[in-house]
Amino acid sequence: TQLLEQSPQFLSIQEGENLTVYCNSSSVFSSLQWYRQEPGEGPVLLVTVVTGGEVKKLKRLTFQFGDARKDSSLHITAAQPGDTGLYLCAGARGGGADGLTFGKGTHLIIQP
Amino acid sequence: EPEVTQTPSHQVTQMGQEVILRCVPISNHLYFYWYRQILGQKVEFLVSFYNNEISEKSEIFDDQFSVERPDGSNFTLKIRSTKLEDSAMYFCASNLLGYGANVLTFGAGSRLTVL
Repeated sequence: TQLLEQSPQFLSIQEGENLTVYCNSSSVFSSLQWYRQEPGEGPVLLVTVVTGGEVKKLKRLTFQFGDARKDSSLHITAAQPGDTGLYLCAGARGGGADGLTFGKGTHLIIQP
Repeated sequence: EPEVTQTPSHQVTQMGQEVILRCVPISNHLYFYWYRQILGQKVEFLVSFYNNEISEKSEIFDDQFSVERPDGSNFTLKIRSTKLEDSAMYFCASNLLGYGANVLTFGAGSRLTVL
């Protein structure tokens, strides 16, 4: 069974600070995705990383896929209250039919 | 922007009753999925569906569950005899392509409460 461990589980910081969220596994994934989920809604895809060592930027968010494709990180620069939410990582083993393995998520609170 | 639509948004049912959750995937997508999320827990894969048949299913997806694409637009999840532990948020998702990175679009979910 493939597992994705996310850390920290909860994080509360002040507006303007930087933060990093980690997603780790002992298994190799063909791709890894980061989602954001609001209460009572479905996950919304933020980014997909495919190549080992790949770095993608989405405004103040930087996503990195580990060289061995077993882990990933999400770094937020100068966090804003609008960044508050649940961030999920999910790994895919192969093609379109494969189910994603989700982590438990990181609950992020950015205080004004 | 195209979206995945799910109905009902919330359903309350008695234990042992049959429940059908409905989804309208994005029209040109080829792969369809059901996931569930028990309150406070992680999102879990149930089943994937392609070319009118199940492609992959998890150990959660036992004989009580079935999926169907009755027409060209709907994708349904049926739970034959609901149990208390089936109470969860059920998410439908669809994916355009079957290769490379999975880019799933999720619906807003159907909350199932089994009493």
